[in-house]
Amino acid sequence: SQQGEEDPQALSIQEGENATMNCSYKTSINNLQWYRQNSGRGLVHLILIRSNEREKHSGRLRVTLDTSKKSSSLLITASRAADTASYFCATVPNTGNQFYFGTGTSLTVIP
Amino acid sequence: DTEVTQTPKHLVMGMTNKKSLKCEQHMGHRAMYWYKQKAKKPPELMFVYSYEKLSINESVPSRFSPECPNSSLLNLHLHALQPEDSALYLCASSQAPWRMSNSPLHFGNGTRLTVT
Repeated sequence: SQQGEEDPQALSIQEGENATMNCSYKTSINNLQWYRQNSGRGLVHLILIRSNEREKHSGRLRVTLDTSKKSSSLLITASRAADTASYFCATVPNTGNQFYFGTGTSLTVIP
Repeated sequence: DTEVTQTPKHLVMGMTNKKSLKCEQHMGHRAMYWYKQKAKKPPELMFVYSYEKLSINESVPSRFSPECPNSSLLNLHLHALQPEDSALYLCASSQAPWRMSNSPLHFGNGTRLTVT
């Protein structure tokens, strides 16, 4: 499978704590994106990082990319109950014709 | 609320029925996608339309038939489905086909399909 692998599969934290989730992938990529999915809803794009970038910030989100290790991490700082959702990384390969989603991390933020 | 609208939100159909899922976007996006998502799994790509032409079919069974009547609309026609086809069907669009740019996907909220 060309899917990325995410870990942990599930994460439960207290409100105000930071949440970190990791994504590993297999092929060379053009860019990597992170999406959030609330239960029973569609996915929402959070942030995109290009292959020539190492770190990117957006509000409480921080994404890093290490192309040598084929891995990325998403950090959510000062988590809120509303951050409870599933988070997916998605890779756009340099070649091929797929848009690959990782296996996902289910985040629960306890108020 | 999303800018990609999918109807219906829920659909229950028998294995002999014919039904259609609809998707609409008015963002001027030129690429549209159908994904299938099972519970606690990532979305799986089914079809990609690029400039209203089918560009990718991920070996989807012929009981699923996509149609793109114009750049704003995408349909998925369903016929003789199996119970294992029950899933959340997601439509997405992007400004340009992802191979040509760094366009993120915009998703609808999906149609929850149950095949009995």
